[in-house]
Amino acid sequence: QVQLQESGPGLVKPSQTLSLTCTVSGGSISSGSYYWSWIRQPAGKGLEWIGRIYTSGSTNYNPSLKSRVTISVDTSKNQFSLKLSSVTAADTAVYYCAREEGYSYRFDYWGQGTLVTVSS
Amino acid sequence: NFMLTQPHSVSESPGKTVTISCTRSSGSIASNYVQWYQQRPGSSPTTVIYEDNQRPSGVPDRFSGSIDSSSNSASLTISGLKTEDEADYYCQSYDSSNLVFGGGTKLTVL
Repeated sequence: QVQLQESGPGLVKPSQTLSLTCTVSGGSISSGSYYWSWIRQPAGKGLEWIGRIYTSGSTNYNPSLKSRVTISVDTSKNQFSLKLSSVTAADTAVYYCAREEGYSYRFDYWGQGTLVTVSS
Repeated sequence: NFMLTQPHSVSESPGKTVTISCTRSSGSIASNYVQWYQQRPGSSPTTVIYEDNQRPSGVPDRFSGSIDSSSNSASLTISGLKTEDEADYYCQSYDSSNLVFGGGTKLTVL
């Protein structure tokens, strides 16, 4: 059973960079045709896809966030990471990491989510 | 880019059938698979329908999905409603390596 777990600071100051890591267990991040994605959800609002990475290192980002987002992968640690720069209060949300099937583009495994608050 | 539009909320009584729509703003709904996720308060989303109309193991056959090219929309139908079905439901699809979620529909079973 694949499990994903987000980790990182729960509080980030405005204009700084939000950094989160997702640790994958129960399977190798390098195996199979999967993408590894970040998704966020502001309180009381809907889901927003942030971006994804393939184990080859190729990335795709939401056009609305592309200028501020970097997703990377560390296969030796079975982890992938998110950096979101120049954050504002609008970036306050629960951040999820998820595994995406490469064929159907569905998210089949999700982390539990971690709340990141942007505040001074 | 395209958008997926869902009704903000729907409500129905236990035992009845409800359908939630998901309309694609541009591009054909049939060109890319549509997924449906259920999210209960405080929990991560889980898949109830994938690849337009497939149910993951463990999801009851009360849940079904369909595509209608004439309205360029997808639908999630839940029959025999139970109080445990009360949740938020999101559709999701993609285009040119861009993944998009609908705004979500709050289902109330009253």
